[in-house]
Amino acid sequence: AQKVTQAQTEISVVEKEDVTLDCVYETRDTTYYLFWYKQPPSGELVFLIRRNSFDEQNEISGRYSWNFQKSTSSFNFTITASQVVDSAVYFCALSEDAFSGSARQLTFGSGTQLTVLP
Amino acid sequence: EPEVTQTPSHQVTQMGQEVILRCVPISNHLYFYWYRQILGQKVEFLVSFYNNEISEKSEIFDDQFSVERPDGSNFTLKIRSTKLEDSAMYFCASSDGSLNTEAFFGQGTRLTVV
Repeated sequence: AQKVTQAQTEISVVEKEDVTLDCVYETRDTTYYLFWYKQPPSGELVFLIRRNSFDEQNEISGRYSWNFQKSTSSFNFTITASQVVDSAVYFCALSEDAFSGSARQLTFGSGTQLTVLP
Repeated sequence: EPEVTQTPSHQVTQMGQEVILRCVPISNHLYFYWYRQILGQKVEFLVSFYNNEISEKSEIFDDQFSVERPDGSNFTLKIRSTKLEDSAMYFCASSDGSLNTEAFFGQGTRLTVV
């Protein structure tokens, strides 16, 4: 069965600090997708990134970067120069069987509450 | 940009009552999902729906839950006899099913059972 673990329940940083959110996953599939979602205080789920299991290149998007390491089953998320608006709950998620032709269900981690203090 | 729309944004209901949560998925999408998030907890998969039938469901999705696509645009989640523990945020999502895609989530319906 698939499982996503986000060991950090809460993280608090001061604005402009860099912060890394950890995500470790378990799956028996060789093909899968990994995701990060942001949930601001308003409650909606905001898609941040999707990464398939065959693409281990790290990705950078503005202040956000992701480090995918298959060897350690990790997909960590780093925010550089954090801002108060980054305060939210961040969820890592896994979807197995990425090449079945159908979009399968997501298994979410328990989330990390990030608080960025001014 | 197309989006998934959920109504209402907040519903309060008495224990034992039936509720219907409504969703309008993105128009060309073929796969539809409901997820649940109890306050302060993780988002949990409930059910997926494709070609007018349930394709997968979780253990949470028991006989008190049902889903329906009554017309070409709406996708509903019905809870027949609500319990206090059904209080949660319910998210609808849809996807087009292509290989390189993610599910798009609605803004959620907060259900409070009193």
